[in-house]
Amino acid sequence: DTGVSQDPRHKITKRGQNVTFRCDPISEHNRLYWYRQTLGQGPEFLTYFQNEAQLEKSRLLSDRFSAERPKGSFSTLEIQRTEQGDSAMYLCASTRSSYNEQFFGPGTRLTVL
Amino acid sequence: AQSVTQLDSQVPVFEEAPVELRCNYSSSVSVYLFWYVQYPNQGLQLLLKYLSGSTLVKGINGFEAEFNKSQTSFHLRKPSVHISDTAEYFCAVILGRNRDDKIIFGKGTRLHILP
Repeated sequence: DTGVSQDPRHKITKRGQNVTFRCDPISEHNRLYWYRQTLGQGPEFLTYFQNEAQLEKSRLLSDRFSAERPKGSFSTLEIQRTEQGDSAMYLCASTRSSYNEQFFGPGTRLTVL
Repeated sequence: AQSVTQLDSQVPVFEEAPVELRCNYSSSVSVYLFWYVQYPNQGLQLLLKYLSGSTLVKGINGFEAEFNKSQTSFHLRKPSVHISDTAEYFCAVILGRNRDDKIIFGKGTRLHILP
C-alpha cells in the first residue's frame, strides 16, 4: 500500500500523560500536513512541513503540541500533559509542492480520560 | 471568519433519489474548491475539485458540483444515490495562489440514505 499511513489508529490515555503519533506520507511527497477533527466538525489545520521545515503553525497548536519531520519523510506529533479537550481525530495528509490534491491518512483517534 | 459554510448538518434522502449538498464560501481572492467524503472510521477521500476552467466538475462515484462565482457556491449533486453513499461530506477551500496551501474545511454534511 503506498498511501499515507498513521500509527497508532487509536490511543486512549489518562489526562496529564504525553502521547506521540506518527505519520508516514506517500514517498516523494515533500509537503506534510496535520489536521485535527473533533466530533461534528470538519478537520482543522494544525501545522505543515515542506521537507523538514515547519512552515506554518495554527493558533490551535498550543505550547503542549509539537511536531517534527526530522528527515523530511515521516512526521511525529506529540502532545504533552494531555487534556480532555485534546480528544479528537488527528489526521495527516501529504502532497507534492504545487500539486492540487492532499492525500489523507486514516487518522489517529485520541481519547483522553 | 468562516470561509466555508455547509448549510445542512444532515440530509436524509431515499435510495435512488437525487441529492444536493449545499456549500457556500466567503472569499474575495482566488479559490480552489473541493469536496471530500469520509466513510465511517476512514480517512478523507477526494470526490472532486475545482481549480479553474469549466464550472461544472465531475467527480468519482457519480457526483458532480458546479462552481458559481456570483453566488459563491459550490453545491454537490448526485442524480441517484445508493446506500453506499452513506457518509459525511466536507466542502473545502484553499484560498489564494498556492494550490498546496492548507485546506479550510466546512463542518460537514452527513448524508443518510433511507431504504
